Amino acid sequence: NAGVTQTPKFRVLKTGQSMTLLCAQDMNHEYMYWYRQDPGMGLRLIHYSVGEGTTAKGEVPDGYNVSRLKKQNFLLGLESAAPSQTSVYFCASSYSIELGNEQFFGPGTRLTVL
Amino acid sequence: SQKIEQNSEALNIQEGKTATLTCNYTNYSPAYLQWYRQDPGRGPVFLLLIRENEKKKRKERLKVTFDTTLKQSLFHITASQPADSATYLCALLRDYKLSFGAGTTVTVRA
Repeated sequence: NAGVTQTPKFRVLKTGQSMTLLCAQDMNHEYMYWYRQDPGMGLRLIHYSVGEGTTAKGEVPDGYNVSRLKKQNFLLGLESAAPSQTSVYFCASSYSIELGNEQFFGPGTRLTVL
Repeated sequence: SQKIEQNSEALNIQEGKTATLTCNYTNYSPAYLQWYRQDPGRGPVFLLLIRENEKKKRKERLKVTFDTTLKQSLFHITASQPADSATYLCALLRDYKLSFGAGTTVTVRA
């Protein structure tokens, strides 16, 4: 099993450009999450999904959109990138809330917006 | 507002000693508290989960306590090794979502 994979690993954008980050998991997990991690601030939840076809806003959703058309994939989009979106982005998935929602994380995408 | 605070200072300890990390929270009533390990350039990895009705838990050299009255969890790494050097994150579960602390960086000297 590959677990949780993220594409791309690194990206540099200019202000105003758009891009999509792809997250894929092969564990048949229902729940998927997108976080950003900035120095000294820990992980902050951007958007999440509780199942195929569902999405919901997290703590810092502004400037991002997501889609979950297939159970195994969760896409994060930036329509018009801003320097404040320079960060490391992590995707995670989990199987069961009832079992405590242990989350499995991908390796991250390092995004720089100039 | 809700807040999760971990040791603000990094911990530097001698191999073989016990590292103790603190996670304090306010305005939460979490059903679970989790601890994760994160190495530089990598995603967090789950270590332990403790439920609100559990007081303490142990997994090999790791020990966790959860005091819902004090709103605090303590995470102990016993008989520490240089390979334990990493950043450790606490996370609280409410609804479907985890909220994370900023983490504490531990360095174990040989």
